[in-house]
Order: sequence, then structure tokens, then C-alpha cells
Amino acid sequence: EVQLVESGGGLVQPGGSLRLSCAGSGFTLVTSSMNWVRQAPGKGLEWVSYISPSSSTTYYADSVKGRFTISRDKNSLYLQMNSLRAEDTAVYYCARGRGDFDFWGQGTLVTVSS
Amino acid sequence: EIVMTQSPATLSVSPGERATLSCRASQSVRSNVAWYQQKPGQAPRLLIYGALTRATDIPARFSGSGSGTEFTLTINSLQSEDFAVYYCHQYNNWPPAFGGGTKVEIE
Repeated sequence: EVQLVESGGGLVQPGGSLRLSCAGSGFTLVTSSMNWVRQAPGKGLEWVSYISPSSSTTYYADSVKGRFTISRDKNSLYLQMNSLRAEDTAVYYCARGRGDFDFWGQGTLVTVSS
Repeated sequence: EIVMTQSPATLSVSPGERATLSCRASQSVRSNVAWYQQKPGQAPRLLIYGALTRATDIPARFSGSGSGTEFTLTINSLQSEDFAVYYCHQYNNWPPAFGGGTKVEIE
């Protein structure tokens, strides 16, 4: 069974940093295209970032470019978030796929507030 | 960037009836559209990809159609577990984009 489990969320002050992790099981994460997608409270879905299986290609939404960095190792996917803003407050999901996103984690909540 | 517009924002339907949800892309995305279902407190679940192919274990009452800029998700004979929010998603161009969602509620 494919499973994705995010961790690392929490309360952080504006301007602070946080690192999210996503652990995968039931499939070979290292050979999969992976994404981060977020959802602000009561709002819709927003794609945040993508990384290719080889890690050679990464893409970012304009709203996070220059502040967030996606990376991976053999077993996990990461999102380093710097210079956090109030508008980054959201549930962050990791999701597998290069086109459609066929599996999603349960999400981790990031709250940016003083 | 491609903008995905869903309508209506809310759809009130009685159990057993049909629900028809629409999604429009600001430019052609060919058939590179997916649909997801999201229930409160849960992650989205893939329903349809390639505009019309049901994902694994998705019941046959869910069907997708369309290409280019106009897409439809149809749910026949709505069951109680189908009341949720539905999102369309284009993956033809970077960046990927989601529609704003349609909430299907009990009438």
C-alpha cells in the first residue's frame, strides 16, 4: 500500500524558517516525481513545488520562489521554507506524480504568526 | 499561467440524483486534466485523470469528459459519501493549476 506521511509543521514567527519532511512507503520514492501542494484554511489547493526523480529538475510557484527549496534523499522528500510570511499559513501536502497526483499524504499544518 | 475556473461554486443535489460539475481552462490544456475529491479534514483523492480515465478503485458512477478548454465531471446517482468538494487540475503547462473547487452539498 502506498503511503505518504508529512511531518515538520508547526507555529513559526514571520521571517522564520521551517523544514517539512515527507516519508514514503509502498513504492520507490527515489524514482518518483514528487510535489508539494498547500491549502490555506478554508481555501482551495495551490501547487507549490515539483522535483523530478533524478532531482535534476525543480519548479516553484512564483509565490514561493527564492524562499522555498525542495529536495529529496532515498527515503524522503523535503521542503525548506525560509522567510515565512503570514500568507504561507496552510496545510502542506506531499503528492506523487508528474502529471496527475495519484497519492497524497495527510498533510502537515504550518502556521505563520507572531 | 493557465487559470482553471470551476462552476458552480456550490451545487445542491438530492441523494440518488445526478451532479454535473464544470471546469474551464483559460487556454487549451488538451486532455491533461484531473479531478479530485476532498472531504473535510482529509487529503484530496484522485478520481479522474486524462480528462476521462477513472483512477484505481473509483466507482463507475464517476465520469469525466471534455478536452481543450471545457471539462465536466459527472456523478450519477449520488451516494451519501459523495458529498464533498471537487477540484479540477490542469497539468498540461507549468505551473500546474487547480480550479477553485465545487462543493456538492445535500439539498
